[in-house]
Amino acid sequence: AQSVTQLGSHVSVSEGALVLLRCNYSSSVPPYLFWYVQYPNQGLQLLLKYTSAATLVKGINGFEAEFKKSETSFHLTKPSAHMSDAAEYFCAVRSGGAGNNRKLIWGLGTSLAVNP
Amino acid sequence: KAGVTQTPRYLIKTRGQQVTLSCSPISGHRSVSWYQQTPGQGLQFLFEYFSETQRNKGNFPGRFSGRQFSNSRSEMNVSTLELGDSALYLCASSSLTSGATDTQYFGPGTRLTVL
Repeated sequence: AQSVTQLGSHVSVSEGALVLLRCNYSSSVPPYLFWYVQYPNQGLQLLLKYTSAATLVKGINGFEAEFKKSETSFHLTKPSAHMSDAAEYFCAVRSGGAGNNRKLIWGLGTSLAVNP
Repeated sequence: KAGVTQTPRYLIKTRGQQVTLSCSPISGHRSVSWYQQTPGQGLQFLFEYFSETQRNKGNFPGRFSGRQFSNSRSEMNVSTLELGDSALYLCASSSLTSGATDTQYFGPGTRLTVL
């Protein structure tokens, strides 16, 4: 069975500091991994996704994530935090296997606060 | 291209009532998925519809049901509401042109409060 663990339900950084949000997954088949962001009172927006084409994935708003199979991780980073990055971030995994069971399995989310 | 729209945005009901939520996917998208989001449980998959057929179903009781119409619009229904059904219900659509790497595009959600 697939699962996603996001370490740290709350992360606080200073404006301009490095952002690191952790995501570890469990999957018996090659996974596809996603990071979404949710701003208050809004739906989720895709930041980036790993599709096995490249282990370092660049997304929107300056975010990137690196797929590390040996560590079963897909951590999200941004070199310099901006106030507008304050939001909830979700990591999700989907099975790459055949068949109709393609639902996304979600982590519980990490709330990012950016301090001035 | 217009995004995923959900109506209504906010809903207040009392225990025992029933509710219907609506979702209009992005034009051309034929897959619609529904999720329940709560602070304690996070995002939980309810079901996915494609071409008016339910393809996947999560672990929710039979009080939760859905359907999809020929124009890909989808509705979900919750009968005999319980306090624990209070949540943000999110709808997501995808084109299914990329298989397992498909991106799901989310609507703003419907905030359901059960009193």
